[in-house]
Amino acid sequence: AQKITQTQPGMFVQEKEAVTLDCTYDTSDPSYGLFWYKQPSSGEMIFLIYQGSYDQQNATEGRYSLNFQKARKSANLVISASQLGDSAMYFCAMRVPWAGGGNKLTFGTGTQLKVEL
Amino acid sequence: NAGVTQTPKFQVLKTGQSMTLQCAQDMNHNSMYWYRQDPGMGLRLIYYSASEGTTDKGEVPNGYNVSRLNKREFSLRLESAAPSQTSVYFCASSGLAEKYYEQYFGPGTRLTVT
Repeated sequence: AQKITQTQPGMFVQEKEAVTLDCTYDTSDPSYGLFWYKQPSSGEMIFLIYQGSYDQQNATEGRYSLNFQKARKSANLVISASQLGDSAMYFCAMRVPWAGGGNKLTFGTGTQLKVEL
Repeated sequence: NAGVTQTPKFQVLKTGQSMTLQCAQDMNHNSMYWYRQDPGMGLRLIYYSASEGTTDKGEVPNGYNVSRLNKREFSLRLESAAPSQTSVYFCASSGLAEKYYEQYFGPGTRLTVT
């Protein structure tokens, strides 16, 4: 079974500072991927960044980077230079191939990030 | 290119009523998914369809049925709504051509069962 754990229900960060959102995972499947999604108060799910289990380098997308530590089974999201618009719920999710085709996505419970002036 | 669309956006039902949530995607994706989101629990998979003509149960399928009408459309039916089904429902789709097997989400349907 797959499991995603996000232990920080809420986080505060000051504008322009960096923040790290924690995510640990558990799976026995050797081929998997890790996503981070952002959900603002308007409710839509926005894809931020992806890391594949065989990727050698940590993923980066603009101000977002994923600190992937495979041995520790962690995939933390780092947001640099926080902006007020980063205030949202952030979900870590893990993709594993599904036996019947497609991919199964397991989500964590989320971290609510608030960026302050 | 609308991506993933869902109807309705909001719905209030009485216990025992039935309804169908509609989902359509225009990205030629093979796989489609239905999730529910409850406070403090993240998103949980209800049903998925790996390809046209196939459906399978996810983590929380009880009380729901699905139909993969064609490659574009995937509907979720509540036959006899219960207050425990009050939730926000998201439809998503993914395709083999997507770089990261990313799932694209619809805007969600907020359902209240009284």
